[in-house]
Amino acid sequence: GAVVSQHPSWVICKSGTSVKIECRSLDFQATTMFWYRQFPKQSLMLMATSNEGSKATYEQGVEKDKFLINHASLTLSTLTVTSAHPEDSSFYICSARTSGGSGYNEQFFGPGTRLTVL
Amino acid sequence: DAKTTQPPSMDCAEGRAANLPCNHSTISGNEYVYWYRQIHSQGPQYIIHGLKNNETNEMASLIITEDRKSSTLILPHATLRDTAVYYCIVRVNGAQKLVFGQGTRLTINP
Repeated sequence: GAVVSQHPSWVICKSGTSVKIECRSLDFQATTMFWYRQFPKQSLMLMATSNEGSKATYEQGVEKDKFLINHASLTLSTLTVTSAHPEDSSFYICSARTSGGSGYNEQFFGPGTRLTVL
Repeated sequence: DAKTTQPPSMDCAEGRAANLPCNHSTISGNEYVYWYRQIHSQGPQYIIHGLKNNETNEMASLIITEDRKSSTLILPHATLRDTAVYYCIVRVNGAQKLVFGQGTRLTINP
C-alpha cells in the first residue's frame, strides 16, 4: 500500500511556542490530506481537511488560527500548532488520499506524532 | 454517514478466530462498510471493506448480513499482534471523510 510519513514522530515543547508537524505521501500524490487528533484512550477526531492549493476546511470546534494547515504541494501538508499549551498535548495523525479516489483503499494514514507541551 | 455500534472490548485466545460485530442499522444503499484497526500508538491500518457481498483478503473476512444492518469482521487465526482497537465505519465510497467511532478494543491472550 501507499506510504504516508510524519515528522517528527514525537516532540516536546514549552508552553507558548509553536510546533510544526509534516505529513508526506511518499509514493503517491495526495490531492486531499486529513488531520486527526487523538487523546489517550479516545478515538480519532477529525480536525480538518486540506486540499492542495486551497484553504483547509476545519471541523466544528477546531480553531483555525491555532491549528494552521498548509497543503502547498501534492505530497506535503503541514500542521502548525501555534502558541501551544498543555491541553494541546495529544497524538496527531495525518492521512492522505490518492488523486481521483478511484479505489476503495484510497486513504492512507501516517504513523502519528506525539506532542507533549510542558 | 450512518452510525455504527460496536462492543467496547473483546478478548480472544491466540490461535482462535476473532469475530468482531458491528451494527449499522441505518446504513443506506450506497454506503460501504469499512474496517480499520489501530495498534497502540500507531496510525490506523485499513483491513477490508464491502458493500453487500462477503469479502475476504489476506488479513480478514467480512460477513455482511443480507439486510446489511450488521456485519462481522473475522480474523481467522488471531495472533498477539492482532491486539488493537478495531473500527467499523460506514460511508459512501470515495467520500471525503473517514469518521471514527469508539471501536472495539480486541485483546488476544496467549
